Amino acid sequence: DTGVSQNPRHKITKRGQNVTFRCDPISEHNRLYWYRQTLGQGPEFLTYFQNEAQLEKSRLLSDRFSAERPKGSFSTLEIQRTEQGDSAMYLCASSLATGRLYEQYFGPGTRLTVT
Amino acid sequence: GQQVMQIPQYQHVQEGEDFTTYCNSSTTLSNIQWYKQRPGGHPVFLIQLVKSGEVKKQKRLTFQFGEAKKNSSLHITATQTTDVGTYFCAGPVGNEKLTFGTGTRLTIIP
Repeated sequence: DTGVSQNPRHKITKRGQNVTFRCDPISEHNRLYWYRQTLGQGPEFLTYFQNEAQLEKSRLLSDRFSAERPKGSFSTLEIQRTEQGDSAMYLCASSLATGRLYEQYFGPGTRLTVT
Repeated sequence: GQQVMQIPQYQHVQEGEDFTTYCNSSTTLSNIQWYKQRPGGHPVFLIQLVKSGEVKKQKRLTFQFGEAKKNSSLHITATQTTDVGTYFCAGPVGNEKLTFGTGTRLTIIP
């Protein structure tokens, strides 16, 4: 399968615990995006990388959130000291961007439940 | 910041009826993209429109980009049960990221 993959698919954690999600983009794509989606809403932009550089972070991304893409391939999103309000689907998407914004290919998402 | 709204929020149609969702941006867009998300699934890219007044068709789906490049529509002719899902439009912010619309959830009554 050459699509975007995400692990784990589901995560249940207790409030205050740290969680880390992984995203493997389509191999030739230079851009990687993280989104958060809650029930009945569209995906909300969190952050994105061009190769290994993190170029923008949304104001939605508090200091408890950190993302990395160390070698310009896979990416991780860590949430520290989780809160119940962090419960959501976390989507990763990748795209090829060379001068204009191309379509994004989404992974299946990681559903986080904070109890 | 840029806002992208869609109407209606929900649409229930009999199988075989037509369906239309409308997308409006608070700012002029360089292009607009449409995605479909099946229940329990993830967004899947459908199409991108770039030119003012552009119309593109994919089988029973017709996509239109407004003349002012601030609105768009998706029309489905003779809906089928496979059309069930939420349809999102998304507009770029600069050349870097997308702002997704609020989505229209389509359900089909067999």
